[in-house]
Amino acid sequence: KAGVTQTPRYLIKTRGQQVTLSCSPISGHRSVSWYQQTPGQGLQFLFEYFSETQRNKGNFPGRFSGRQFSNSRSEMNVSTLELGDSALYLCASNPQGGKNYGYTFGSGTRLTVV
Amino acid sequence: GQQLNQSPQSMFIQEGEDVSMNCTSSSIFNTWLWYKQDPGEGPVLLIALYKAGELTSNGRLTAQFGITRKDSFLNISASIPSDVGIYFCAGQLEAGGTSYGKLTFGQGTILTVHP
Repeated sequence: KAGVTQTPRYLIKTRGQQVTLSCSPISGHRSVSWYQQTPGQGLQFLFEYFSETQRNKGNFPGRFSGRQFSNSRSEMNVSTLELGDSALYLCASNPQGGKNYGYTFGSGTRLTVV
Repeated sequence: GQQLNQSPQSMFIQEGEDVSMNCTSSSIFNTWLWYKQDPGEGPVLLIALYKAGELTSNGRLTAQFGITRKDSFLNISASIPSDVGIYFCAGQLEAGGTSYGKLTFGQGTILTVHP
């Protein structure tokens, strides 16, 4: 079955702009989590969505937001981009977001802010 | 917040050697996962551990969930060049509340294998 699909793979944006990233989870998975990966901070949890509801949120400013649609696809949005937002953004798919299931990651979206 | 201390940070080994890396935490985790990441790609799940004391193998890989639930290790036997990459441990607290969908990651172990 198809894996986790993230689009686009690469993005270059200018400071102050906003960006929307997309994630399609594995079919049947209802939980989607988002992570930011940078060389300095490693992999940091952004938020998790399940059945169109945000159930958990990490320590990121309000410029980072997300949503989930009825087909479990998820989008994350970053407004007023800063240079420090340059990172690999990863989403992970899980049947329910709990234990006893591994999380499957997509290939990520590489965002560069200039 | 919770932190996972992963060691070593990097390893340079000869093909055929065995490798061992581990993660420790000050918090109790109820799930331990081991991932491998290649440059420009997302992490790929290698082994998942859900029970304290559990020892699980996946080919040449073996991982254990520590009895205290605060640590885990990963062993790779008879390394080959394609084992090159970054290995991450990740833990998840008990499902529910602030643990939904949230994995806490170690800093990663960069593995280099010389043919």
